[in-house]
Amino acid sequence: GAGVSQSPSNKVTEKGKDVELRCDPISGHTALYWYRQSLGQGLEFLIYFQGNSAPDKSGLPSDRFSAERTGGSVSTLTIQRTQQEDSAVYLCASSLSPSVRSGNTIYFGEGSWLTVV
Amino acid sequence: AQSVSQHNHHVILSEAASLELGCNYSYGGTVNLFWYVQYPGQHLQLLLKYFSGDPLVKGIKGFEAEFIKSKFSFNLRKPSVQWSDTAEYFCAVALNGGSQGNLIFGKGTKLSVKP
Repeated sequence: GAGVSQSPSNKVTEKGKDVELRCDPISGHTALYWYRQSLGQGLEFLIYFQGNSAPDKSGLPSDRFSAERTGGSVSTLTIQRTQQEDSAVYLCASSLSPSVRSGNTIYFGEGSWLTVV
Repeated sequence: AQSVSQHNHHVILSEAASLELGCNYSYGGTVNLFWYVQYPGQHLQLLLKYFSGDPLVKGIKGFEAEFIKSKFSFNLRKPSVQWSDTAEYFCAVALNGGSQGNLIFGKGTKLSVKP
């Protein structure tokens, strides 16, 4: 597609359940990012994939969070044993390689709204 | 740790008023600087970016920003706002030349323009 595609757009889950959020980056973009946007907060970096390199997981808030990127394209963010504080918009973004260090623009998807009840 | 500060949480202006949104970052090295906008119900979009060269950067919809290295600032300006500029604005920094590939965002400034 023309832009970054995320699914589901909205997800309500019970506390303690696992959730998976999917991201389809722009075709040809080798850098992929996950951010979290909580109410009243800025965008919190979670994880960054660049080509075949080991991902930068430095932003993941706990070991309940993990992400995969298969075949250098689609990515899945998994949150295990969800807690109410995980409620947020999870944003995926992509950019051409090599990433923003060379001035490439990051393009964002519309986000997945996660509500943990 | 590197950080980005946006001093105004919520700015309310009347149409045709001038706008300046502050952004400061804490990093002594070379940076790339960005302003993103999020209109109600829409995804984040790039307004403008500074990578190198002229520190006065012009973006879409009449916005501009000036990089002042000595002040670690990248303030966003628009001479005359319109109701359609109502949105949330995010300043972001990328650390050029470092190993970190992601953007560091400020907490955002919500702009409300009264018609």
